[in-house]
Amino acid sequence: AQKVTQAQTEISVVEKEDVTLDCVYETRDTTYYLFWYKQPPSGELVFLIRRNSFDEQNEISGRYSWNFQKSTSSFNFTITASQVVDSAVYFCALSEELSGYALNFGKGTSLLVTP
Amino acid sequence: DTAVSQTPKYLVTQMGNDKSIKCEQNLGHDTMYWYKQDSKKFLKIMFSYNNKELIINETVPNRFSPKSPDKAHLNLHINSLELGDSAVYFCASSQGAGAGNQPQHFGDGTRLSIL
Repeated sequence: AQKVTQAQTEISVVEKEDVTLDCVYETRDTTYYLFWYKQPPSGELVFLIRRNSFDEQNEISGRYSWNFQKSTSSFNFTITASQVVDSAVYFCALSEELSGYALNFGKGTSLLVTP
Repeated sequence: DTAVSQTPKYLVTQMGNDKSIKCEQNLGHDTMYWYKQDSKKFLKIMFSYNNKELIINETVPNRFSPKSPDKAHLNLHINSLELGDSAVYFCASSQGAGAGNQPQHFGDGTRLSIL
């Protein structure tokens, strides 16, 4: 069963639009960790953010912000004023003790930002 | 200075051959991982080692054998390569055995193509 669901397979926006990437997770652990990674066309995986299950504070880093809501098991990612360089595949991932803390990835959301 | 380095970056070989992919990290981490990314971009954990000991061994054909000569290296050997093994293989490392709260740092990936 898929533990991390990224329902949006592909999103296309025009530059300067805001875009939200959805992530819903499933776990029985009380302590777990959530991550977002970016995979640009060049193929490398770039760490963006980590959140633990006890910290529901939202976070903002420049044009990026994350909304963690335990009540809905969601960890959504918003890019404000998107840029062409934001075009990439974005992965949400769950790390839990039950799976030895390996990253359990969602299927990714491919974001295309056009000029 | 590359933190997690994999060699080779590209590997093209015939079905039935045996090949190895090497991974080294200079971050001083004690946990290393191998992930497989298929043609649909889905990332899945294969193995994890902590201080040279196997801690995660997912359902992977036994043609795949990881080897960790020391905690800075985790190599992946694949016997009798099959067409379905074509994928991008990512090595990663993190600090701590229960490393759920630490981000995993990924290598640039090895693109394996089976002819």
